[in-house]
Amino acid sequence: EAQVTQNPRYLITVTGKKLTVTCSQNMNHEYMSWYRQDPGLGLRQIYYSMNVEVTDKGDVPEGYKVSRKEKRNFPLILESPSPNQTSLYFCASSSEFMNTEAFFGQGTRLTVV
Amino acid sequence: QQPVQSPQAVILREGEDAVINCSSSKALYSVHWYRQKHGEAPVFLMILLKGGEQKGHDKISASFNEKKQQSSLYLTASQLSYSGTYFCGTEQAPNRDDKIIFGKGTRLHILP
Repeated sequence: EAQVTQNPRYLITVTGKKLTVTCSQNMNHEYMSWYRQDPGLGLRQIYYSMNVEVTDKGDVPEGYKVSRKEKRNFPLILESPSPNQTSLYFCASSSEFMNTEAFFGQGTRLTVV
Repeated sequence: QQPVQSPQAVILREGEDAVINCSSSKALYSVHWYRQKHGEAPVFLMILLKGGEQKGHDKISASFNEKKQQSSLYLTASQLSYSGTYFCGTEQAPNRDDKIIFGKGTRLHILP
């Protein structure tokens, strides 16, 4: 089954404790991205990757890091989480960088206390 | 340059029609439409490319007017399953920068 898998689905952590949210896709997609979703603000892109070892900032990259060492994986790293990073996070992938359907993961609800 | 969606929310009775608009202050290359049900991931509906095309998907269709820099999503004879939040995502022209910028969403609630 074609899918994008995120882990964990739910996470509560404390300020400053480094964490990683994993994202994996099994569709051999080249383009992957991370979004955060906050009430009333819609989906905002954090980072995206057009291929292995190629990543770039989205609209709200501050406080986040990503890596793309393998085509299928695109982890999101929060080196020192803060409460304003409490949000719902989605990973997405698509076969091309544009003009194609994006498949979203099920989301990770992160709470930073 | 987040696109502006209107209305913010709408309540309909089953069988009624709805129109959701997406406007941008920038020239657009493409418009993407997604639907998200509560607690779930966004699901792709359709993409419209520069050229003023109209697409259809069952009883859901959309148009893209590149001159007006806007797109409209049409839901005909709405069904209960249409409830959710609809997002438009825009790719700006002419210099494509590999980003899709999503609007804040339109919440649609269908009553039986």
